[in-house]
Amino acid sequence: GAVVSQHPSWVICKSGTSVKIECRSLDFQATTMFWYRQFPKQSLMLMATSNEGSKATYEQGVEKDKFLINHASLTLSTLTVTSAHPEDSSFYICSARSGTHNSPLHFGNGTRLTVT
Amino acid sequence: KQEVTQIPAALSVPEGENLVLNCSFTDSAIYNLQWFRQDPGKGLTSLLLIQSSQREQTSGRLNASLDKSSGRSTLYIAASQPGDSATYLCALLGYIAGTALIFGKGTTLSVSS
Repeated sequence: GAVVSQHPSWVICKSGTSVKIECRSLDFQATTMFWYRQFPKQSLMLMATSNEGSKATYEQGVEKDKFLINHASLTLSTLTVTSAHPEDSSFYICSARSGTHNSPLHFGNGTRLTVT
Repeated sequence: KQEVTQIPAALSVPEGENLVLNCSFTDSAIYNLQWFRQDPGKGLTSLLLIQSSQREQTSGRLNASLDKSSGRSTLYIAASQPGDSATYLCALLGYIAGTALIFGKGTTLSVSS
């Protein structure tokens, strides 16, 4: 089946530094990728939608200059948290879809980010 | 704006019990509805997907139903086991092309042996 690999699975960084999270579709071409954030005991909240080769669309309240998304190829999307702060500590999950709107969404295993 | 509510937020049952998790949504214009399982600190495992034209789907001990007119879905788990302990998330896909799944907050299930 379709596999989405997310790396790293966990990362600890110091406040003010930047962290990059990678999301790869291993055996299919992901025309669209979604980035979610999940705080403890909360739902997955959509941060942004990215289509290969175009700029990401951010949800209201998500700072595009702070959460940089690059979807440069059909198998790779990256999320960079710039100038991270403790309040950015969260669980970040990517999902990928190939093809049309009714194609299944496949999820990565998530990245636990802790900013100290 | 679509809102997804899951009740209860947490549930504890002894092993062997049958149980029902509830999901309600405000906008019935959905493409499909999915139930996921999430273990602590882990990603998502898709359990069942119901297309908008369907009423229910079954997989093993799991049965999910969908009633679009009332904006409800239920996930029925038969003969619960300790291994079923996890958070169960309900998610909806709207009709607008390119949109993402919208998730509820989940129900955290604990099954004791």
